[in-house]
Amino acid sequence: KNEVEQSPQNLTAQEGEFITINCSYSVGISALHWLQQHPGGGIVSLFMLSSGKKKHGRLIATINIQEKHSSLHITASHPRDSAVYICAAPDNTDKLIFGTGTRLQVFP
Amino acid sequence: DSGVTQTPKHLITATGQRVTLRCSPRSGDLSVYWYQQSLDQGLQFLIQYYNGEERAKGNILERFSAQQFPDLHSELNLSSLELGDSALYFCASSVAWGGAGLTGELFFGEGSRLTVL
Repeated sequence: KNEVEQSPQNLTAQEGEFITINCSYSVGISALHWLQQHPGGGIVSLFMLSSGKKKHGRLIATINIQEKHSSLHITASHPRDSAVYICAAPDNTDKLIFGTGTRLQVFP
Repeated sequence: DSGVTQTPKHLITATGQRVTLRCSPRSGDLSVYWYQQSLDQGLQFLIQYYNGEERAKGNILERFSAQQFPDLHSELNLSSLELGDSALYFCASSVAWGGAGLTGELFFGEGSRLTVL
């Protein structure tokens, strides 16, 4: 069983829509990572958070440690946001376990 | 640009062969991580080095080995290659070691795409 689960697996949206991607994990963690993988394959770290909320531009990440749940929100989505979004959390030996990713497509 | 450099970007080779993937971490980063991303398995942690020493090992096959050199660059050696080894191999770096939860932000290279025919 994957200890990090994401939903939805696939997401399509119209430009301008508000997007939410969810991540649930089963191990106690010190921090959770959100990553973005572009169609060409490159991976960019978006956030690392251990509590509360972080914001960067149109991206917002929240985490609820008690509920073992994190969300990534994209406001005013744009076609350039089309990518795979991956959450990752360390397991009990501190090795990162990755979710299977959410493939987002934003259409103009 | 993450500051992490991986070479080669693409590599095509035959079964049974051996290849070496190279990673130069971001300036100042002491930790290097290797990950494998195959189509059917997503991202998998392979191995981590910190300042030249192996710190953590994931699902790395015995046919695979890695090292980190005094200048902090790292190499991942893949031998006796099989079709199933075809994947994207990513290197990432971070400033510190203290577990994946405490390393801070990870900076990823562009990946090396290995195709085994």
